[in-house]
Amino acid sequence: GQNIDQPTEMTATEGAIVQINCTYQTSGFNGLFWYQQHAGEAPTFLSYNVLDGLEEKGRFSSFLSRSKGYSYLLLKELQMKDSASYLCAVAARSAGKSTFGDGTTLTVKP
Amino acid sequence: DAGITQSPRHKVTETGTPVTLRCHQTENHRYMYWYRQDPGHGLRLIHYSYGVKDTDKGEVSDGYSVSRSKTEDFLLTLESATSSQTSVYFCATGGEGVGYEQYFGPGTRLTVT
Repeated sequence: GQNIDQPTEMTATEGAIVQINCTYQTSGFNGLFWYQQHAGEAPTFLSYNVLDGLEEKGRFSSFLSRSKGYSYLLLKELQMKDSASYLCAVAARSAGKSTFGDGTTLTVKP
Repeated sequence: DAGITQSPRHKVTETGTPVTLRCHQTENHRYMYWYRQDPGHGLRLIHYSYGVKDTDKGEVSDGYSVSRSKTEDFLLTLESATSSQTSVYFCATGGEGVGYEQYFGPGTRLTVT
């Protein structure tokens, strides 16, 4: 099975940098996803890591260490619109299934 | 944007009644999923489909059934709704692109009274 842990809530200031961590224990691994979900809306895909290292995409970067069962999402130059829930999800090896963590609610303050 | 719609978007129903939620996609994606999302529990997989008439159970499948007679439609049925099934239900699809990322519909808010 899968066990995924991420902090429940985080607060940061506009313009700052924030790192959202995700640890996982899994019996099968085919990569790790990050999704963003604004309140009352559907999740949307942010990033995918299957190899160790850092993937950068504009203001957002995602890191993976498979040996440590650890990932983080790094958000730079925070904007008010980044206030949302960030979901870490581990991809299984079959049928495209993913197991989601409970999400981290990020609040960006002026 | 994967062109996924869900109907209805909101529904209130009484305990013991059957309910069917519909997911429709226009992207010809092979995989389709039904999740429920509750406060403190994140997204939990109910059932999924890996092709027409090919479905399987997820982690919280009790009390739910699904059907997929066409690539574009995936139906979720609550056989006899209970108050514990009050939730927001999301449909998602996945193609066979890198990492099987999923695209989500707008969600259905279901209240069972």
